[in-house]
Amino acid sequence: NAGVTQTPKFQVLKTGQSMTLQCAQDMNHNSMYWYRQDPGMGLRLIYYSASEGTTDKGEVPNGYNVSRLNKREFSLRLESAAPSQTSVYFCASKWTGGYNEQFFGPGTRLTVL
Amino acid sequence: DAKTTQPPSMDCAEGRAANLPCNHSTISGNEYVYWYRQIHSQGPQYIIHGLKNNETNEMASLIITEDRKSSTLILPHATLRDTAVYYCIVRYTGNQFYFGTGTSLTVIP
Repeated sequence: NAGVTQTPKFQVLKTGQSMTLQCAQDMNHNSMYWYRQDPGMGLRLIYYSASEGTTDKGEVPNGYNVSRLNKREFSLRLESAAPSQTSVYFCASKWTGGYNEQFFGPGTRLTVL
Repeated sequence: DAKTTQPPSMDCAEGRAANLPCNHSTISGNEYVYWYRQIHSQGPQYIIHGLKNNETNEMASLIITEDRKSSTLILPHATLRDTAVYYCIVRYTGNQFYFGTGTSLTVIP
């Protein structure tokens, strides 16, 4: 199993450009998550999807949109990138219910100039 | 909203036990305590979690005080590969995990 995969690994954007970060998991998990991590900081939750067809805002949702395309895939879109969105973005997944652990992907390093 | 407080950094000699403290004085009765670690800039890795009883797995032990206001993660025999940032997280009964800034553990040869 590949676990949680993210594409791309690195991306540089200009202010105002848009892009979509892709995340996929092959563990048949119900819940998926998007976090951002700024330098020297912990992870902050952007959006999550408790199950296919549902999405909810996390701690820092402004400037982002998400799509739960199917059970495997959860994408994060920046419609008009800003320098403040320069960060490392992590996707995670877990079984819904109970108190199961989250499994994280390797991250996407995004720089907005 | 700081749910947990951890020291910013700690050192530990290789082969010795590493004891990482965490304060979570506002924890509610049904919130679990989770520990994750992040090596370099990789995705965080799950270590252990607990509610009120002490827990042990192949990676670590988790000691939670009786009043649940603090906990300690114990790595019994630290190795150089345990050098990482360790996050103590209180999980809401919903889906949200709140990561703080963690403790940067350096294992010294």
